[in-house]
Amino acid sequence: NAGVTQTPKFRVLKTGQSMTLLCAQDMNHEYMYWYRQDPGMGLRLIHYSVGEGTTAKGEVPDGYNVSRLKKQNFLLGLESAAPSQTSVYFCASSYPLRGETDTQYFGPGTRLTVL
Amino acid sequence: DAKTTQPTSMDCAEGRAANLPCNHSTISGNEYVYWYRQIHSQGPQYIIHGLKNNETNEMASLIITEDRKSSTLILPHATLRDTAVYYCIVRARFSNSGYALNFGKGTSLLVTP
Repeated sequence: NAGVTQTPKFRVLKTGQSMTLLCAQDMNHEYMYWYRQDPGMGLRLIHYSVGEGTTAKGEVPDGYNVSRLKKQNFLLGLESAAPSQTSVYFCASSYPLRGETDTQYFGPGTRLTVL
Repeated sequence: DAKTTQPTSMDCAEGRAANLPCNHSTISGNEYVYWYRQIHSQGPQYIIHGLKNNETNEMASLIITEDRKSSTLILPHATLRDTAVYYCIVRARFSNSGYALNFGKGTSLLVTP
């Protein structure tokens, strides 16, 4: 199993450009999450999803949109990138339908710089 | 979710036990204590969790006080690869609204040779 994978690993954008970050998991998890981490800070939740076709706002949702069209994928979109969105973005998943563990598994992160 | 308080940083000599404390005096009865760590530039990694009994796995031990207002994560034989930021998180185990983790600033553990 690959676990949680994120694409791309690095990206540089100019202010106003748009992009989509892709998160994929092969663990049949129901819940998926997008976090951002700024230098010297803990992770903050952007959006999350408790199942295919459903999404909800987290702590810092402004400027981002998400979609969960397939259970294994969770997309994070930036429609008009701003320098304040320069950050490291982590995707995570949890809650398998079967089994007892509710551990949250994280991807390796995407480093985004907005100039 | 209950708030947690951790020291900003700690040092530990390689091969010795690392004891990382966490205060969570407002924890409620259905909330678990979770520990994650983040090695530089990597995604957070789950370590262990517990409700009220002490727990042990291949990575660490978790000691929770009887009143559940504080806990200690123990890395029994710290190695240089254990240098990381350690996060203590208190959260109900399952929720219909998701299971988002409330990361604070954690404890930066430096293991020295």
